[in-house]
Amino acid sequence: AIRMTQSPSSFSASTGDRVTITCRASQGISSYLAWYQQKPGKAPKLLIYAASTLQSGVPSRFSGSGSGTDFTLTISCLQSEDFATYYCQQYYSYPGTFGQGTKVEIK
Amino acid sequence: EVQLLESGGGLVQPGGSLRLSCAASGFTFSSYAMNWVRQAPGKGLEWVSAISGSGVNTYYADSVKGRFTISRDNSKNTLYLQMNSLGAEDTAVYYCAKDQRAYCTNAVCSSFDYWGQGTLVTVSS
Repeated sequence: AIRMTQSPSSFSASTGDRVTITCRASQGISSYLAWYQQKPGKAPKLLIYAASTLQSGVPSRFSGSGSGTDFTLTISCLQSEDFATYYCQQYYSYPGTFGQGTKVEIK
Repeated sequence: EVQLLESGGGLVQPGGSLRLSCAASGFTFSSYAMNWVRQAPGKGLEWVSAISGSGVNTYYADSVKGRFTISRDNSKNTLYLQMNSLGAEDTAVYYCAKDQRAYCTNAVCSSFDYWGQGTLVTVSS
């Protein structure tokens, strides 16, 4: 199975900060990568698919980039509602695997 | 509006069985593969199983193969997960999730654009 490794596992940030989360695949996955946001007690929410395509309704401060093995999720100006855990997922090959998650906490 | 509503979770003893359901609405259910994804308490997300829109093709994570069975009833717009021989390692919130891309028959095709609210399965004596 393809292993997805996110970094960092957690960090603290302030409202207004620009933050970047990295996801690395253990082998090339082209652009078959999605990013999800999950808040405590809630289901994950799709933010970005195909590595860089913003899901409908998702604010434009979220962006994704990368292809092959290295990907990033960027939040250009962190808002209070963005404090959550973020997961990447590859859908290049079976089984679809998730990263371990990155928790963004309030500084 | 797309809605996915899971039910059937609860407390079960080790070695027991449980059947989860996911009622879908707001889209052409039979056109989309569906998935089960679980999350153990305080842990990350784990894909469990997928089924094609027709129900012909089914796929499982190695951790549940031979114990879990995914199925669907397109006349009732409902997805199921039959879970047998449950162990403590199966304790988790189980989510149903819809494939973003229609007409997929592979084990994995796309991201998941809609998720249910989840149902908690606790395996304990």
